[in-house]
Amino acid sequence: EAAVTQSPRSKVAVTGGKVTLSCHQTNNHDYMYWYRQDTGHGLRLIHYSYVADSTEKGDIPDGYKASRPSQENFSLILELASLSQTAVYFCAIRDRSAETLYFGSGTRLTVL
Amino acid sequence: GDQVEQSPSALSLHEGTGSALRCNFTTTMRAVQWFRKNSRGSLINLFYLASGTKENGRLKSAFDSKERYSTLHIRDAQLEDSGTYFCAADSGYNKLTFGKGTVLLVSP
Repeated sequence: EAAVTQSPRSKVAVTGGKVTLSCHQTNNHDYMYWYRQDTGHGLRLIHYSYVADSTEKGDIPDGYKASRPSQENFSLILELASLSQTAVYFCAIRDRSAETLYFGSGTRLTVL
Repeated sequence: GDQVEQSPSALSLHEGTGSALRCNFTTTMRAVQWFRKNSRGSLINLFYLASGTKENGRLKSAFDSKERYSTLHIRDAQLEDSGTYFCAADSGYNKLTFGKGTVLLVSP
């Protein structure tokens, strides 16, 4: 079973502040993803990465940056947090040869 | 429009009864995955299907790529089945597109 650890579990940020969400995996999987979930919208893909030191834009990348400094770690960065970025953020991993997506427990972000 | 249309958006069941959730796709998808978000907010893998059907306990899922749909059947519903169910379609570009979810409430 996959091990995906997200931190922090929850965070309150101020508008205009910088927020960094972290994701760590111990499975050595190639693909890592950041999704956000809003009530009534399901999960939407923000950024993803298929190899260390490289990231790709997802479906809703505006206002977010991503960083994959190593195989194990994938961060989501909000340089200037806005009210509209209040949501639950999920990190997920997937192996190149496998199919199933495994999720972390989520980070609840509230921007005030 | 949305690539993945999930229905119903909400569903109430009494213990011991069953029903089906459905996802329709606007394009051909390579595979589908079903998840349940539990009361703690964790996303639990239920099924991954590239074709045909799979069954696990009281849950059964089917995927028809040609007809562009997938279903999740729940039978003999239990209180612990309550939660939000999501389908996610794999178009083959290494990312999944999610439906908006079905909120299931199972009551005594």
